[in-house]
Amino acid sequence: DGGITQSPKYLFRKEGQNVTLSCEQNLNHDAMYWYRQDPGQGLRLIYYSQIVNDFQKGDIAEGYSVSREKKESFPLTVTSAQKNPTAFYLCASSSYGTGQYFGPGTRLTVL
Amino acid sequence: DAKTTQPTSMDCAEGRAANLPCNHSTISGNEYVYWYRQIHSQGPQYIIHGLKNNETNEMASLIITEDRKSSTLILPHATLRDTAVYYCIVREQTNTDKLIFGTGTRLQVFP
Repeated sequence: DGGITQSPKYLFRKEGQNVTLSCEQNLNHDAMYWYRQDPGQGLRLIYYSQIVNDFQKGDIAEGYSVSREKKESFPLTVTSAQKNPTAFYLCASSSYGTGQYFGPGTRLTVL
Repeated sequence: DAKTTQPTSMDCAEGRAANLPCNHSTISGNEYVYWYRQIHSQGPQYIIHGLKNNETNEMASLIITEDRKSSTLILPHATLRDTAVYYCIVREQTNTDKLIFGTGTRLQVFP
């Protein structure tokens, strides 16, 4: 089945630790995105990538880092510099003429 | 800031049509109207999009006014599983473009 997978679904970390969220797609989409969602709010863009080995900052990139070494993969690292990392993180992908297809999300809780 | 305005919440009886309005008075000529929905604690799901003509697919219909300043998403026979937050978004149709999510309309379908 084609789609986007994110793992894990739930993640708990201690304050001050870096954590990496996984996102994989087998849709052959060129572009991939990371969003953050806080309770009762819409999604906000963290980073996006149009092509392998290239990515751009979104609206709230501070405290986050990404890589795009493979077309299928776009991992997000939440660093200790992110002041309020507890949130629901969503990955998406798209190609020209399609809507963005979203993964199931990872709920990160920093203790 | 989101370029669209939607009611905060709506109710609909199961089996009836759900008509969700969206205002996008500042839409430009090359911007499409996209609709997504997000069921609680899941990733958003693409529903439909259009430029100026009405569109229909297996999920919904999209009616866009002639001046393109507003649109309506129609779920012809709402079911309990259609309870979700519905987001109306305007964007250019390019390979990559960030989606600016507002707070959407929370649709509650009741028995």
